[in-house]
Order: sequence, then structure tokens, then C-alpha cells
Amino acid sequence: GIQVEQSPPDLILQEGANSTLRCNFSDSVNNLQWFHQNPWGQLINLFYIPSGTKQNGRLSATTVATERYSLLYISSSQTTDSGVYFCAVELGNAGGTSYGKLTFGQGTILTVHP
Amino acid sequence: KAGVTQTPRYLIKTRGQQVTLSCSPISGHRSVSWYQQTPGQGLQFLFEYFSETQRNKGNFPGRFSGRQFSNSRSEMNVSTLELGDSALYLCASSLTGDFSGNTIYFGEGSWLTVV
Repeated sequence: GIQVEQSPPDLILQEGANSTLRCNFSDSVNNLQWFHQNPWGQLINLFYIPSGTKQNGRLSATTVATERYSLLYISSSQTTDSGVYFCAVELGNAGGTSYGKLTFGQGTILTVHP
Repeated sequence: KAGVTQTPRYLIKTRGQQVTLSCSPISGHRSVSWYQQTPGQGLQFLFEYFSETQRNKGNFPGRFSGRQFSNSRSEMNVSTLELGDSALYLCASSLTGDFSGNTIYFGEGSWLTVV
């Protein structure tokens, strides 16, 4: 099956620092999403970004589908950014069999200290 | 609008018992997916339901089952619980289950501990 690899596995920052999280995937995908999991377990959808670049406040993401990677940028990090960031993909050319199925990476654990 | 609601939030069960978890999707969403999250295996897809039909299934044993009702609410059941079933079970809803352009929303999850 498709492999999704995220790096780094852990990241520790001081408040105000910038960071880049990476997601590599092994096959063509229809869909790529970034999520943030808060300390209570809920997954919050950050970006739907199968290709191109999007920005939302201090967060931005870029996906280069032809090279099979995506980047999540966090600028001026805050303590509330702490948590686990997941990249998840939906397989391409699945002929409808990927309904509801996202394949997740192992996540990047981000800790922002005040 | 109300988000995805999962109940119960926390529960402890004994090996060999069975458990039923419930998920109410966002109003108007007809697709409900279930995921299991463990420290060792990460987030893994269990199954997806749309209009009361299971359309997709992950690689889990038959002890894991689910269903969806006409109001789109979904339940999942795990029978003959094993210690390894201890996990966070997450439910997600979307309009159609086809993620292209459709945002997917997750609930807060049900934390299951098997002792």
C-alpha cells in the first residue's frame, strides 16, 4: 500500500520561531490533507491541498504532487500550536474504492515552549 | 452548526466483553468513517458507511463491525475485546465520503481501555 512518511518525528521550538514539517508519499494521490491533533484527541483539518500552495494566517502549505511531497509551514509559533501534526492522503486512481479512507503518516509531535 | 459527536468519550472494558461506540455526523453529512489510533500503529482506517451501506473496509478482523442508520448516525461494535483493542476510536463525517474538495470533520473520539 501507499507509504506516508513525515519528518521530523519530534520538534521543539521556542515561541516565535518558524518551522517546516514535511510529508513524503510513495504513490500518486487524489487528495492530501494536513491535520492538527489537539491534546484532547480531536483532529482539526488545517488544509485540503492535493497540489499548489495555500495560506491560512500563520500557517501555509505547499504540495508538489509530481515530486510526491508536501510541506507545512508554521510561522511565529505559539504555545497553542503544540500537538501532533498529521499528513493524510487519499490514493489516486482508486476507482471509487477509497471512499472514506485516508492513509495517515505517523505524525510530527510539536512542542512550543513559552 | 453542531460538530461530530461521539459517545461515550471514555470507557473501560474487560477482555472478552464487547463494546458499542456511537457517532452522530454533522447535519446533512451522509458519509461516516471510523479510524483506530494506537501509539504503535498510528491512525488506521476501519470502515466507511454512506446511506446505510458499507462502501469501504480496512484491514481489521471480523470482530470489528459497524452500521449506519437512516439518520446517518453510525455505530461501531467490537466483540470479544482484546488488550490490543485499547485505542482512541475516531469518527469522521463528510458530505459524500469523496474527499476531493470536501472537508472532512473528525469527532473528539472515544477512548477505550481494555483491562
